[in-house]
Amino acid sequence: SSELTQDPAVSVALGQTVRITCQGDSLRRYYASWYQQKPGQAPVLVIYYKNNRPSEIPDRFSGSNSGNTASLTITGAQAEDEADYYCNSRDSSAKYWVFGGGTKLTVL
Amino acid sequence: QITLKESGPTLVKPTQTLTLTCTFSGFSLSTSGVGVGWIRQPPKKALEWLALVYWDDDKRYSPSLKSRLTITKDTSKNQVVLTMTNVDPVDTGTYFCARYYYESSGLDALDIWGQGTMVTVSS
Repeated sequence: SSELTQDPAVSVALGQTVRITCQGDSLRRYYASWYQQKPGQAPVLVIYYKNNRPSEIPDRFSGSNSGNTASLTITGAQAEDEADYYCNSRDSSAKYWVFGGGTKLTVL
Repeated sequence: QITLKESGPTLVKPTQTLTLTCTFSGFSLSTSGVGVGWIRQPPKKALEWLALVYWDDDKRYSPSLKSRLTITKDTSKNQVVLTMTNVDPVDTGTYFCARYYYESSGLDALDIWGQGTMVTVSS
């Protein structure tokens, strides 16, 4: 399968925890990467592999995987976390890559 | 410091060929585990993965666009070029290039992105 499915929108109260999910058959075989994109900016890698963060990403961001679902969790969401979040992984055949449709996170 | 920058026309007419160049610094495309990919984003829509060229010149394309895309690398110039033939207004959007990096720690992702370049397809 070449599809990764995300909820279009999620909201979280300031300081609370939110989970953003990504589903797809290829996730049974490959890990997802997660990208944060703020308006007018390029995407930024926040999580890759099992639960790895680039050094500049705050530790309130974490990742997990189960079956065909990858999840991005923000523990103690901040106002600056309001953004679009995209998952990305290889297709099941490993011949190309795909992005999920993105999740718009609103911090209330 | 690793940087990537996209360049190319801002306006292209329908049916023409679009050529975009990604010029990068701070890494080499001859290093094992490295690649450069192209991703686009129509206005107010999601990211779409287009193509990627690896250090060993292996090339991968989105199956939906494969017939229209060609990706090439010039290691000596630190550039990757993407050509898209027969463009249509639906190809309008921001085009990003990004470094792909694989290492044994598990990094297997587009880790550094360019700022993107906006392309409009219109007559």
